[in-house]
Amino acid sequence: DAGVIQSPRHEVTEMGQEVTLRCKPISGHDYLFWYRQTMMRGLELLIYFNNNVPIDDSGMPEDRFSAKMPNASFSTLKIQPSEPRDSAVYFCASSLGLGMGYTFGSGTRLTVV
Amino acid sequence: AQTVTQSQPEMSVQEAETVTLSCTYDTSESDYYLFWYKQPPSRQMILVIRQEAYKQQNATENRFSVNFQKAAKSFSLKISDSQLGDAAMYFCAYRSNNAGNMLTFGGGTRLMVKP
Repeated sequence: DAGVIQSPRHEVTEMGQEVTLRCKPISGHDYLFWYRQTMMRGLELLIYFNNNVPIDDSGMPEDRFSAKMPNASFSTLKIQPSEPRDSAVYFCASSLGLGMGYTFGSGTRLTVV
Repeated sequence: AQTVTQSQPEMSVQEAETVTLSCTYDTSESDYYLFWYKQPPSRQMILVIRQEAYKQQNATENRFSVNFQKAAKSFSLKISDSQLGDAAMYFCAYRSNNAGNMLTFGGGTRLMVKP
């Protein structure tokens, strides 16, 4: 099992540009989560899916952020337009059922200049 | 909403010694799960240990063990025979069994291991 795969590992973009982060969860996992990590705010849940359906997106900071999960093996997190305050490490994680810990991807470090 | 507090921003330990990282949480629920995650400089989040609230026995994984005090809402992590590779950020996390399946994380403790 290759684990949770995120791409790209690093992204540097200019303010105002569209950014798309990608995630492939572990095959068979029915939950997928997007987290953001910053020094100031720590780890924040942005949105999570169960069986490809968004369940809770209350952590999405504003309308500039959107996430999709078109099938069980792929999810995207899009920021349009990006701003410098969006600079952070974005993690995708997946889990199987309730009670188990998450398996995290290696994260995408986003820098908006 | 549940909150998780790690009161020690930084800890240090001598190689081969034992260190305990503290975690407290606030909840009104009786059924939940607790976790410790390790984040080394590579930034990969690695699950270290997991505890089910309904189990009284403390979880153990090799050199890692927990002291789970349900009444006190305390969940500390003990690392025995510390190794240089244990140096990392450690995050305590809570997951409710009733309100979805998302983890709530503490602010983290940076562990330094001195050779």
